[in-house]
Amino acid sequence: DVKVTQSSRYLVKRTGEKVFLECVQDMDHENMFWYRQDPGLGLRLIYFSYDVKMKEKGDIPEGYSVSREKKERFSLILESASTNQTSMYLCASSRGTSGQQETQYFGPGTRLLVL
Amino acid sequence: QQQVKQSPQSLIVQKGGISIINCAYENTAFDYFPWYQQFPGKGPALLIAIRPDVSEKKEGRFTISFNKSAKQFSLHIMDSQPGDSATYFCASLTTDSWGKLQFGAGTQVVVTP
Repeated sequence: DVKVTQSSRYLVKRTGEKVFLECVQDMDHENMFWYRQDPGLGLRLIYFSYDVKMKEKGDIPEGYSVSREKKERFSLILESASTNQTSMYLCASSRGTSGQQETQYFGPGTRLLVL
Repeated sequence: QQQVKQSPQSLIVQKGGISIINCAYENTAFDYFPWYQQFPGKGPALLIAIRPDVSEKKEGRFTISFNKSAKQFSLHIMDSQPGDSATYFCASLTTDSWGKLQFGAGTQVVVTP
């Protein structure tokens, strides 16, 4: 079974703090994704990565950055957390055959509260 | 602006009833339409998916109906059970998009005993 783990289930941070959300997958997947989930808005893609050190912006990248130094690990960074970044953050991975219709496997999510 | 519009936002159905969730899209380049199921405290998981060369796909009590000309697809949950209570997301992608899914807003389904 594919397993995607996220470093924290719940986080509380202060406005202006730098926040790191970590995601690890154990199936040697090429693609990794970061989404945020908000009620009534569904899942919105923040960033994705199709290879180590490669990243692409998603639909809502403003205020976020990412890092992928190793294939299994994809980090989401909030450079200076703001209250409007309070949300559920979901990491996902997929096998990564470019152009293929693939299943994305999700982690359990990190609920972030920025005060 | 969401590329996939999903309705209703929430749905209450009695045990044994049929749950129907609808999605509509504009981008005719979409060529894969999965549905994801999310239970509280869990990440979404793939439930069922369809490609536009077929009009219907059935897996157990779950059926996707696809209308290419209307650019609509829907999920039917037959004989709904309390264990089906979850949030359901429709999604779409184009095969040249690195697997980037466009998700609908989600439908919270509650099945009452």
